[in-house]
Amino acid sequence: SQQGEEDPQALSIQEGENATMNCSYKTSINNLQWYRQNSGRGLVHLILIRSNEREKHSGRLRVTLDTSKKSSSLLITASRAADTASYFCATGRNDYKLSFGAGTTVTVRA
Amino acid sequence: NAGVTQTPKFQVLKTGQSMTLQCAQDMNHEYMSWYRQDPGMGLRLIHYSVGAGITDQGEVPNGYNVSRSTTEDFPLRLLSAAPSQTSVYFCASMGDNNSPLHFGNGTRLTVT
Repeated sequence: SQQGEEDPQALSIQEGENATMNCSYKTSINNLQWYRQNSGRGLVHLILIRSNEREKHSGRLRVTLDTSKKSSSLLITASRAADTASYFCATGRNDYKLSFGAGTTVTVRA
Repeated sequence: NAGVTQTPKFQVLKTGQSMTLQCAQDMNHEYMSWYRQDPGMGLRLIHYSVGAGITDQGEVPNGYNVSRSTTEDFPLRLLSAAPSQTSVYFCASMGDNNSPLHFGNGTRLTVT
């Protein structure tokens, strides 16, 4: 069964606005990862946050992790048309098995 | 540095046919895995391997076989294709348990 579940399923924003999506999971994790998938392509890794970290930044991306609530959020600031994609969270455990959610589809309107 | 290479990109099979999806990585990663992606379902783990000679089942292993004779290669075999196996298949590898997955570009399989 899927470990991570993203919310919302879909998001439509204007270029320049911020986009926030959330991920909830059920069991203990080693790390939580966010990936982006452009239409028809493979997934590309964005950020990995370990279970003992609370926040991580990479360029316009900010990820938070709250292990007490078993949730994470991905914030994309100052969105661009190129950010249009599906975003997935994945939870990593000791058994090497990464479990993915169903994803959030983000559309950035010009 | 090619990363993770999957072949073929597209394949159409008739029910009952067999085929092998190829996956190779050149990053010397011990861990490799196969996922399938279906609309609204995210990615589901089929099989994975933590090193040459070691394979294990994921979430949806039925109908699929794998082997890992070398570190570089991790082929996925469909022994008798069924329409339920119509999907996009992704191979991925990673260096260790706290590293990101590197994905191939996928194989779009249709079983009629």
